Amino acid sequence: GAVVSQHPSWVICKSGTSVKIECRSLDFQATTMFWYRQFPKQSLMLMATSNEGSKATYEQGVEKDKFLINHASLTLSTLTVTSAHPEDSSFYICSALPRDRGFTDTQYFGPGTRLTVL
Amino acid sequence: KQEVTQIPAALSVPEGENLVLNCSFTDSAIYNLQWFRQDPGKGLTSLLLIQSSQREQTSGRLNASLDKSSGRSTLYIAASQPGDSATYLCAMGGSYQLTFGKGTKLSVIP
Repeated sequence: GAVVSQHPSWVICKSGTSVKIECRSLDFQATTMFWYRQFPKQSLMLMATSNEGSKATYEQGVEKDKFLINHASLTLSTLTVTSAHPEDSSFYICSALPRDRGFTDTQYFGPGTRLTVL
Repeated sequence: KQEVTQIPAALSVPEGENLVLNCSFTDSAIYNLQWFRQDPGKGLTSLLLIQSSQREQTSGRLNASLDKSSGRSTLYIAASQPGDSATYLCAMGGSYQLTFGKGTKLSVIP
């Protein structure tokens, strides 16, 4: 149980195009999902917190107009990288916090999406 | 601001050896500490979660301890196997805010 999927697993795009990444909780509902970015040999950095039915909360330094987040349902959050540039190339990982998590505070992580911008 | 440090950045050991991975943090007012495993190009797999009121957790060959007073956590792996080769990340925080270390890349040599 508690499986999170991401699609696509990898994407290559040209500079200036937009890319959408999906994050789905497959067997549970998640009112809150998180988007992280990981550069090579670096730790995961939280980009934004996505709450179902409301606007996402972005971390300091993350451009909300560049990284559009939509959490339209209890099982799906999307991250759209608009007008992507080579410096946006990174590994993007989402996680989900179960709506009914009892005493567990664990975020469940997706497998990640490798974005390469040419 | 919470900072999480993992030392060493990389570790290579022969198969069968017991080993310890270290994690230190700056803010002792933590909620939980969690250890993850990340395989190359993959997402994270949660290994152990230690809640703030606990001192350790065990799962199979893994044992994680938490000492808030010294700002340290350790992950002990017994009888290491080549399949344990991966990057191990520790993360501090509660449900809504996790701060990660950069990880320790472990290689277990057959």
